[in-house]
Amino acid sequence: EAGVAQSPRYKIIEKRQSVAFWCNPISGHATLYWYQQILGQGPKLLIQFQNNGVVDDSQLPKDRFSAERLKGVDSTLKIQPAKLEDSAVYLCASSLGELVSYEQYFGPGTRLTVT
Amino acid sequence: DAKTTQPPSMDCAEGRAANLPCNHSTISGNEYVYWYRQIHSQGPQYIIHGLKNNETNEMASLIITEDRKSSTLILPHATLRDTAVYYCIVRVSQGGKLIFGQGTELSVKP
Repeated sequence: EAGVAQSPRYKIIEKRQSVAFWCNPISGHATLYWYQQILGQGPKLLIQFQNNGVVDDSQLPKDRFSAERLKGVDSTLKIQPAKLEDSAVYLCASSLGELVSYEQYFGPGTRLTVT
Repeated sequence: DAKTTQPPSMDCAEGRAANLPCNHSTISGNEYVYWYRQIHSQGPQYIIHGLKNNETNEMASLIITEDRKSSTLILPHATLRDTAVYYCIVRVSQGGKLIFGQGTELSVKP
């Protein structure tokens, strides 16, 4: 079975620029998550989708971050404008469903460097 | 969700058992103990989970104390490929958030 795909793998931008990350979850997985992992820390949940609806976005800095999951499959996470403190790895994960799956499957992540 | 405490780092000799402890003294009756690991430059990977009984799968064993206030993840025969950060997470059933702490950085040495 193919895993969670993410692109790009690496991105370097200057502060105040915009950036977008793409995620393709495992086929048939209804729940999709975006995490932010700052160097030396564990991943932190930014947003959770169930199909194309948002379940939890309490940790998403909504003044600059946005995410969408059109048609309940692929998802994009955008940062506009970026700040230095946004430098991190952005991980996408998926699971069969919020209430029916024990496992979250993670992609390889996108490493963002803001200069 | 209950908080967990893990040692920041541990070493283990290749071929020996690696025993990774986790304290979760405020765990509630409906919270499960989950373990994930993250190999360098990869996303986290699910290892095992349990409620109150000991669990074993092809990757590891999970031993939960009777009072459920602590647990131990056991990798029976550690290899160099097991070098990773191991996260112990307490979570309400399948639907709760995964809240990652700092984890334990396990180094398996030849």
